[in-house]
This record gives sequence, structure tokens and C-alpha cells, in this order.
Amino acid sequence: GAVVSQHPSRVICKSGTSVKIECRSLDFQATTMFWYRQFPKQSLMLMATSNEGSKATYEQGVEKDKFLINHASLTLSTLTVTSAHPEDSSFYICSASKQGSNTDTQYFGPGTRLTVL
Amino acid sequence: ILNVEQSPQSLHVQEGDSTNFTCSFPSSNFYALHWYRWETAKSPEALFVMTLNGDEKKKGRISATLNTKEGYSYLYIKGSQPEDSATYLCAPRDKIIFGKGTRLHILP
Repeated sequence: GAVVSQHPSRVICKSGTSVKIECRSLDFQATTMFWYRQFPKQSLMLMATSNEGSKATYEQGVEKDKFLINHASLTLSTLTVTSAHPEDSSFYICSASKQGSNTDTQYFGPGTRLTVL
Repeated sequence: ILNVEQSPQSLHVQEGDSTNFTCSFPSSNFYALHWYRWETAKSPEALFVMTLNGDEKKKGRISATLNTKEGYSYLYIKGSQPEDSATYLCAPRDKIIFGKGTRLHILP
């Protein structure tokens, strides 16, 4: 149980286009979902935390107008990279949590590799 | 800002040997510490959630200890097997800050 899927796994797009990444909890309801990005040889960096039905909480330095997050249901959150540029190329990974508390386990998706040309 | 350090960054261990590595974190405002295992081409998988000073958790051949006063946790693997090859990540909560991980390679 506790499977999280992410789609697409890989995307290549032209500079200036927008890209949407979906994160789904397949067999449980996720009160809270988290979005991370990872640069090469760096750690996972939390971008934002989203709770179902409310606005996402963005980490310092993450542009909310650039990285639009929607958590419309208890099983789906989306991250849209708007007007993507080459510097947005990265590995994006989501996780989902049943309760969202400090001790609650995060179940991760497999990640999305974004390449912006 | 939290600073989470994991050491070593990379580790090569002979199959059958035991090993351990460290996660250090600021001890103030501690809530919980999470350990994850991340195998290549797979999703990170939760190993342990630890909350109390002196906590020790075990899952098969893998165990972890926690010292919240000095701000460190050890992960131990007994009798390493090829399937243990992965990157091991730690992350303290309240603020979610991941360490860079320890990349473990088990040599046959």
C-alpha cells in the first residue's frame, strides 16, 4: 500500500512553454503533498507544501507565480512550471502524507526529469 | 536555517560486512527525524521515524539510533547485502531539510 505515482517521468520542452506535473496517491488519501526539486549532486530541496483545498505554502526563494501548485483533491496535486527556462531543468519529486504531521511518513513518487531547451 | 549533514557521502562495503553512517542536525526545535532509502530508478522509501532521545528502531538488518541532545542519528546495517545498495537520506522535521545522503555500494 501507500503508492504514489508521478506523471510524466520525463519531459523535454522548449523555453517559454509551461509544463504540468501530476502527483497522485493511488491507494490512500493524502491530506498533505510536498513538492521537491533536486539539482545534480544536491539534496532534495522542499519547494512547497500543499494541503487539499487550500493554497500551497511556498518555501523561501521559491516563486509561487513560477511554480503553480494545485491540490484539488485528496489524491491529486499538480505542479505547473510556467514559462519554463533552461535554469528550471531539474528533477522534481513529490511526496504524499496521510496526515501531514511531523511524524507522519511521506510516500514519494518516482520523480519527473524536466529538461528545458 | 537548519543544516543537515550526512557522512560519509559515499561508502563501499564488502558483502557480509556491517556498516554505519551518520546524520547530524541542529538539536534545537527538534520534532522528529526521518530516514529514507533511495534506490536508483525507484522512489525514496521510508525506513524510520524517530522522535525521542535515545530511540532505537530496527527493521530487519537495519537499525537506527537517535541523540536529540547532541543532534545526531546513526544508521546501522548488519551483514550488508547487494540489495542494500542505495542512497540513505535523513530529514529532521519541523522544517523539512534533507541531507545530501550517504551513497552505499555493496561489493560482491
